[in-house]
Amino acid sequence: DTGVSQDPRHKITKRGQNVTFRCDPISEHNRLYWYRQTLGQGPEFLTYFQNEAQLEKSRLLSDRFSAERPKGSFSTLEIQRTEQGDSAMYLCASSPVINYGYTFGSGTRLTVV
Amino acid sequence: EDQVTQSPEALRLQEGESSSLNCSYTVSGLRGLFWYRQDPGKGPEFLFTLYSAGEEKEKERLKATLTKKESFLHITAPKPEDSATYLCAVLRGSGGYQKVTFGTGTKLQVIP
Repeated sequence: DTGVSQDPRHKITKRGQNVTFRCDPISEHNRLYWYRQTLGQGPEFLTYFQNEAQLEKSRLLSDRFSAERPKGSFSTLEIQRTEQGDSAMYLCASSPVINYGYTFGSGTRLTVV
Repeated sequence: EDQVTQSPEALRLQEGESSSLNCSYTVSGLRGLFWYRQDPGKGPEFLFTLYSAGEEKEKERLKATLTKKESFLHITAPKPEDSATYLCAVLRGSGGYQKVTFGTGTKLQVIP
């Protein structure tokens, strides 16, 4: 296991289309996080899973956003009816326990045109 | 609301010129403070976790310290490969709930 994997690395989509991103965490990590980062800003928390349970969602996560982690393994983040303001880097991270530093993936860069 | 402020926003150093980055925070019930390094187009790379005031952690040319209101990342004799954005983040929460809030980072450029 070489780290957190995210797919795709880049996604260009037209406004109004739906997109889905995938994250494969480190296999022994039961905690998984999604963050969004725009240019010049730090990552902003979107949502958090412990195993398959989604325990926390940010106010940033509007009803157009949904995340799943079936069977507590990989996770998907779907954005419906994309808007130009959704353009950002979407980062996934995992950790083994609370209070531990996260391992981030390389991110998916979304561009909505 | 948790606040994390990093300064300076950008720092340009000559190779070998030591300096410090600052992370000041306001958070209720701090559980830990993280430092990350982020290269352009990549995800943040974990460097350190500090848990209590007075704690210090070192890794190569980097040394992180923590007080009750701020953390410093000291860079000793930096090299060009240390050029990156350095992010600070605070963790609060208990039990199954935790929240990590990131600062906006300090962009470090080390010139040969």
